[in-house]
Amino acid sequence: SQQGEEDPQALSIQEGENATMNCSYKTSINNLQWYRQNSGRGLVHLILIRSNEREKHSGRLRVTLDTSKKSSSLLITASRAADTASYFCATDGSTAGNKLTFGGGTRVLVKP
Amino acid sequence: DTAVSQTPKYLVTQMGNDKSIKCEQNLGHDTMYWYKQDSKKFLKIMFSYNNKELIINETVPNRFSPKSPDKAHLNLHINSLELGDSAVYFCASRGTERGYEQYFGPGTRLTVT
Repeated sequence: SQQGEEDPQALSIQEGENATMNCSYKTSINNLQWYRQNSGRGLVHLILIRSNEREKHSGRLRVTLDTSKKSSSLLITASRAADTASYFCATDGSTAGNKLTFGGGTRVLVKP
Repeated sequence: DTAVSQTPKYLVTQMGNDKSIKCEQNLGHDTMYWYKQDSKKFLKIMFSYNNKELIINETVPNRFSPKSPDKAHLNLHINSLELGDSAVYFCASRGTERGYEQYFGPGTRLTVT
């Protein structure tokens, strides 16, 4: 079963605008990660936030985590056409092997 | 240099055939994974190996058999292929030096006709 639910499923914005996507999950986690997938390619790790962290930044990315609500958000500021991709959240529940459970993804289209 | 590589990139085969997908990582990681991504883009873990030892085996038909000859390689063999096996299969690896992020291969698109 899917651990994470992502919202929205798809997002279309103009270049320069901000893109926000949300992820909800069901069980306790050790950390939550965001990945990007360009069409026809593998996933690329973007950012990891640990369960004891509330916010993290990396370049134009900002991730928040609310463990009481079991939710996370990813904000991409000043979006570019190259940000067009699918974005996935993945939870690590610290089971053996650090299994990641992925959400369904948000497809982001950034129009030039 | 490619960190995680998979071969082949595309695989088209008929129902009932047996096929293998190979994965190699040159990152020196101890843990490797196989994921399946379906047509709706849902990504689900199948197997994980740590230093050639199986540590995660999700509910996957036993037609799927992973094999890890050494910690840099994790191959996936599929027997008696079915239409529902059509998907993109991703290999990934993880080290511990920089945390828990996983590094994914480019994927193998399997089409069963």
